[in-house]
Amino acid sequence: DAMVIQNPRYQVTQFGKPVTLSCSQTLNHNVMYWYQQKSSQAPKLLFHYYDKDFNNEADTPDNFQSRRPNTSFCFLDIRSPGLGDAAMYLCATRGTSGQNEQFFGPGTRLTVL
Amino acid sequence: AQSVTQLDSHVSVSEGTPVLLRCNYSSSYSPSLFWYVQHPNKGLQLLLKYTSAATLVKGINGFEAEFKKSETSFHLTKPSAHMSDAAEYFCVVMSGSARQLTFGSGTQLTVLP
Repeated sequence: DAMVIQNPRYQVTQFGKPVTLSCSQTLNHNVMYWYQQKSSQAPKLLFHYYDKDFNNEADTPDNFQSRRPNTSFCFLDIRSPGLGDAAMYLCATRGTSGQNEQFFGPGTRLTVL
Repeated sequence: AQSVTQLDSHVSVSEGTPVLLRCNYSSSYSPSLFWYVQHPNKGLQLLLKYTSAATLVKGINGFEAEFKKSETSFHLTKPSAHMSDAAEYFCVVMSGSARQLTFGSGTQLTVLP
């Protein structure tokens, strides 16, 4: 089945220790998104890629970076995680040929010690 | 500018009784509207979408929603709740050339035995 995959599902890191979260998709979608979702809140868009074009939200901290080496993969890098970065991180994809909904992965739960 | 208001942060129903989750939207453009469901520690799953076709939209798991332009509403309903429906539900609007999503604050549905 075509899908959005996130690894790992649970990630524990230490305060200030860089961490990378991974997203891959078999849908061949042009657009990939990263969202941060804190407890009992709605997802908040961090940035997205339209093909290779990177689009950062204005209020996304510099601590968050992203890479998209090819259509299938997208990475979220947190350079120096703080306690406030503990959250669920959701990856989503969207095609551009008629369909307009976003397909979400299962998320990665990040804990910062 | 667009916004979404979910009128109830928590809804509690008994198993077998109807479900109503309320959503009002504001959009400068002709919107696309979605309902997503999120079970604990899981990603978001699309329940249904409205994209200017039929105003009554049927989704998965027996859910449906009616788009009412005059009331700027897109309420989610189900005739008979099941225990497995207990989850967080998000009403989402997408509009504009950037096709960004704007999430409501979510409604936590509890189903009582």
